[in-house]
Amino acid sequence: AQTVTQSQPEMSVQEAETVTLSCTYDTSENNYYLFWYKQPPSRQMILVIRQEAYKQQNATENRFSVNFQKAAKSFSLKISDSQLGDTAMYFCAFPGPGGGADGLTFGKGTHLIIQP
Amino acid sequence: DSGVTQTPKHLITATGQRVTLRCSPRSGDLSVYWYQQSLDQGLQFLIQYYNGEERAKGNILERFSAQQFPDLHSELNLSSLELGDSALYFCASSPRPARDTQYFGPGTRLTVL
Repeated sequence: AQTVTQSQPEMSVQEAETVTLSCTYDTSENNYYLFWYKQPPSRQMILVIRQEAYKQQNATENRFSVNFQKAAKSFSLKISDSQLGDTAMYFCAFPGPGGGADGLTFGKGTHLIIQP
Repeated sequence: DSGVTQTPKHLITATGQRVTLRCSPRSGDLSVYWYQQSLDQGLQFLIQYYNGEERAKGNILERFSAQQFPDLHSELNLSSLELGDSALYFCASSPRPARDTQYFGPGTRLTVL
């Protein structure tokens, strides 16, 4: 079975600081994607970033970047210059067997609080 | 805005009742996924449809069913509702049935009293 583990239930940092959220996963597949989704207080699920496992280069989207370590099955999210609007639950997600045809498996989430 | 729409936003009903949640995928997306988010179970995949056909089932109860119509919108039917069915129900869509990014709708909050 696919598993996704987020070991930090809650994190709190000051505005403008850099924060890293961790995620580990377990899979026997070789070709897959990994995702980080953000869920602000509005409860909308918003895609933050996507990483293809076959790509050696880490994905970057503006202030968001990942550190993807395929051998270690680790997929952390780094948020630079954090802003108050980054306050949200962050979920690491991984497609189930078949590349996601069985839906995404989500971690339990990390509640990130950005303090002014 | 992801382009995925869900109605209604909120639904309050009583135990034993039946409700229908509706989802319209992003333009061009053929796959629709349903997820349930509850406090105790987290985010769980329920079911996927691709171009009108059921593609995969997750942790969906027998009291729940879904379908996807020719115009690609989907409905999730929940019957014989129990208190424990209270949750946020998300619909997501993607162009293909696998190996694609899933974009989520705003969700329907169901409260069973």
